[in-house]
Amino acid sequence: AQTVTQSQPEMSVQEAETVTLSCTYDTSESDYYLFWYKQPPSRQMILVIRQEAYKQQNATENRFSVNFQKAAKSFSLKISDSQLGDAAMYFCAYRSADGNEKLTFGTGTRLTIIP
Amino acid sequence: GAVVSQHPSWVICKSGTSVKIECRSLDFQATTMFWYRQFPKQSLMLMATSNEGSKATYEQGVEKDKFLINHASLTLSTLTVTSAHPEDSSFYICSARSQRLKEQYFGPGTRLTVT
Repeated sequence: AQTVTQSQPEMSVQEAETVTLSCTYDTSESDYYLFWYKQPPSRQMILVIRQEAYKQQNATENRFSVNFQKAAKSFSLKISDSQLGDAAMYFCAYRSADGNEKLTFGTGTRLTIIP
Repeated sequence: GAVVSQHPSWVICKSGTSVKIECRSLDFQATTMFWYRQFPKQSLMLMATSNEGSKATYEQGVEKDKFLINHASLTLSTLTVTSAHPEDSSFYICSARSQRLKEQYFGPGTRLTVT
């Protein structure tokens, strides 16, 4: 079974600065997908970024980028130019590429933005 | 974008009663819907996966006779918590996916309080 680990329960960053959230995972599969989801106080889950394991290039979405290290099974999220609206719980998630749609989530990191 | 709604957003019920939560895909046909449970300050745990017109597949440890899931149409899935107890109090989140969409889209969640 796959597991996803987020070792930072809480992080804080000064507004406009850069922060990196860590995520590691364990799998025996060679093809899979990795995600970062944001859950603001409204509790609505929002997809931030998606990475396909067979792609070596790190995914980027505006101020959000990932550092995907497949051999190390590491998938960190970098948020640049942090904004107050970035404050939320961030969950790392794993999904197999074998047709099983199940998402396995990490325990989450609460990000606080300091004005 | 793909929109998923849930109703109600918050429900309070008495112990021993049943409560039904609806999940609707508003602008796409959801061939697969997922039900998650989230306890305070914890991650999302998948309860079951339902495909339109067939029985739901429950995760290990989830009582299928207690959490009844129906996915009768391509836009609606329901979760019924039967004989609710205070320990069933939680945040229930659904997500939906179609064959066309790559990812799951999440509803805003339903907070259930059992008194």
